[in-house]
Amino acid sequence: GAGVSQSPSNKVTEKGKDVELRCDPISGHTALYWYRQSLGQGLEFLIYFQGNSAPDKSGLPSDRFSAERTGGSVSTLTIQRTQQEDSAVYLCASSPAAGGNTIYFGEGSWLTVV
Amino acid sequence: GQNIDQPTEMTATEGAIVQINCTYQTSGFNGLFWYQQHAGEAPTFLSYNVLDGLEEKGRFSSFLSRSKGYSYLLLKELQMKDSASYLCAVDGNNRLAFGKGNQVVVIP
Repeated sequence: GAGVSQSPSNKVTEKGKDVELRCDPISGHTALYWYRQSLGQGLEFLIYFQGNSAPDKSGLPSDRFSAERTGGSVSTLTIQRTQQEDSAVYLCASSPAAGGNTIYFGEGSWLTVV
Repeated sequence: GQNIDQPTEMTATEGAIVQINCTYQTSGFNGLFWYQQHAGEAPTFLSYNVLDGLEEKGRFSSFLSRSKGYSYLLLKELQMKDSASYLCAVDGNNRLAFGKGNQVVVIP
């Protein structure tokens, strides 16, 4: 498809387990973002990738969270030793470049930690 | 850093006009975006302002004043399907920072 693709769309995991969330951005988009949205809350910035530059990791809430972007395309967000407060929808977005370009969101990965 | 403030909720009647305000403070500015988010769905792009003034797009208009750190989204001829959360987002330092969103409820 032409849009941002995320998988899994839904994930239920036990507390303490690790999870990986995948994002496939729109083809040709150099900028990629991860946001988190808890129920009824706003979007919380997590991490930003732009081309081959070092990522902006300033939004990651703890060292249990990490993200990679391989080959300038697909990105994986990893949450280690999940906690119940990690339950949220994790939204990936991409844009053609940095600075003033519209970002387009995927449908999100809904994570529930039980 | 970035600070974005929006009112939380408003109710309006079908066919009416509603204005949603957003104030912001940011160390860098590459533009301001408005997104619409229906419950359980991802945000979808509505408008983008980088220069002062009004941008009109069908039933939706967005205004920006950079000197005041202020924007508003105007929704005209409200329809039931416009019931959603409206998110203001500022592009500063090459990342979008979102406000908490304003929930608009349209009633018959």
